[in-house]
Amino acid sequence: DAGITQSPRHKVTETGTPVTLRCHQTENHRYMYWYRQDPGHGLRLIHYSYGVKDTDKGEVSDGYSVSRSKTEDFLLTLESATSSQTSVYFCAIRRTDNTEAFFGQGTRLTVV
Amino acid sequence: DAKTTQPPSMDCAEGRAANLPCNHSTISGNEYVYWYRQIHSQGPQYIIHGLKNNETNEMASLIITEDRKSSTLILPHATLRDTAVYYCIVKTGANNLFFGTGTRLTVIP
Repeated sequence: DAGITQSPRHKVTETGTPVTLRCHQTENHRYMYWYRQDPGHGLRLIHYSYGVKDTDKGEVSDGYSVSRSKTEDFLLTLESATSSQTSVYFCAIRRTDNTEAFFGQGTRLTVV
Repeated sequence: DAKTTQPPSMDCAEGRAANLPCNHSTISGNEYVYWYRQIHSQGPQYIIHGLKNNETNEMASLIITEDRKSSTLILPHATLRDTAVYYCIVKTGANNLFFGTGTRLTVIP
């Protein structure tokens, strides 16, 4: 493992409730990413961060927000969960923009 | 960002070399080629990356054509544990690693 932990690993929530997923790293890497993975789509970028309080949108950012108040933590929030957000969410970290990325083990989120 | 094209699936006999191709005809001069794999439902695992020259590490070799429009990932002696989805990725900058749908490699006993 590259010192990256996602929590929770599994979650079931009801439509309309807020949900926060946490990505924690111990590597002091600058870049952090949130992806979602759905059948037939591969991994798609939701949001990413290039430093504390520096974030930007990815290709599927609607319905999601992020925060990074500390280098080690990158939070993904679903303000009001919908069934279309049922997915597996992966966090990734990179030391620089041309080095390899390390991925967490994923969070399986089910919105009922 | 440059996009990549990979065959959806491949088979390889155990112990033989697995050669996974990738086309990236729109790649630009400063874009790296990365390879990752995903075993079952685990997080993607980094394999190797390169810019122009061929690269080798303990997991695999990466062969990039001279015009950089395609590359091949070589697993020299495939084992059953190499069964996975393999992603070829081209990017520049910090903002994204664009994952397509990859190649599902099945290693056959």
